[in-house]
Amino acid sequence: AQRVTQPEKLLSVFKGAPVELKCNYSYSGSPELFWYVQYSRQRLQLLLRHISRESIKGFTADLNKGETSFHLKKPFAQEEDSAMYYCALSGRGGSGGSNYKLTFGKGTLLTVNP
Amino acid sequence: EPEVTQTPSHQVTQMGQEVILRCVPISNHLYFYWYRQILGQKVEFLVSFYNNEISEKSEIFDDQFSVERPDGSNFTLKIRSTKLEDSAMYFCASAGQGFTEAFFGQGTRLTVV
Repeated sequence: AQRVTQPEKLLSVFKGAPVELKCNYSYSGSPELFWYVQYSRQRLQLLLRHISRESIKGFTADLNKGETSFHLKKPFAQEEDSAMYYCALSGRGGSGGSNYKLTFGKGTLLTVNP
Repeated sequence: EPEVTQTPSHQVTQMGQEVILRCVPISNHLYFYWYRQILGQKVEFLVSFYNNEISEKSEIFDDQFSVERPDGSNFTLKIRSTKLEDSAMYFCASAGQGFTEAFFGQGTRLTVV
C-alpha cells in the first residue's frame, strides 16, 4: 500500500527564515516523489519531482530512502511562498498507467509572515 | 500554455440526482484521472483511465461512479445517485507519455443537499 504522511498541518515562518516541510512515505516498490503546490484560488501545480533533482523557486527536496523521507526545504522563505503544499507518491512503471496514480499527503499550509 | 479545463466550477444538486462532471484534458495526453478532496481532508485518487478503459479504481469508486471519454477531447465523471457524502472538490488530471507530471484542472466543487 502507498502512504504519504505530512505531519504538520500548519507551518508559519517569518520572511527570510528557513523552511522545511516534512514528508514521509511508505511504499514497497521504487517510488517517485513529488511536491505539488496550491496557491490561493489556483489549481494544484507541480513544484518539483525527485527524479529531476532540480531547484524550483529556491525549493529543493532530497529523497532519503533510508528514512523514507522527501522533505521540502528553502533557505530563505518569501511571502509569495505562502500556499498549501502537498507531498505525493507514484509507483513506477506498469502498463495502462495504473501505477502512475498519485497518493497525496494531507498537505501543509505554509504561511510566510512579513 | 495548455491547461486541463473542468466544468462547471460549482455544482449544487439534490441527493439522489445524477451529476456529470466534465473535463477537457490536455490534447496529446494519454493518462486521465479523477481525484476528489472532501473539505479538510486529503486529495484522494478515484480512478485512472488509459487506452479507453479504466486502468485502476479506488474503493471509493463504487457502482455509483462511472467515467467516459466519449470523444477525443472530453473526459467525464458521472455519479448516478448522489449522496450527501459525495460533496467534495473533484479534480481531473491528465498526463503525457512517461508520466513526468500530472496536470490538474481547477476543480469542480460538488455540493449535495
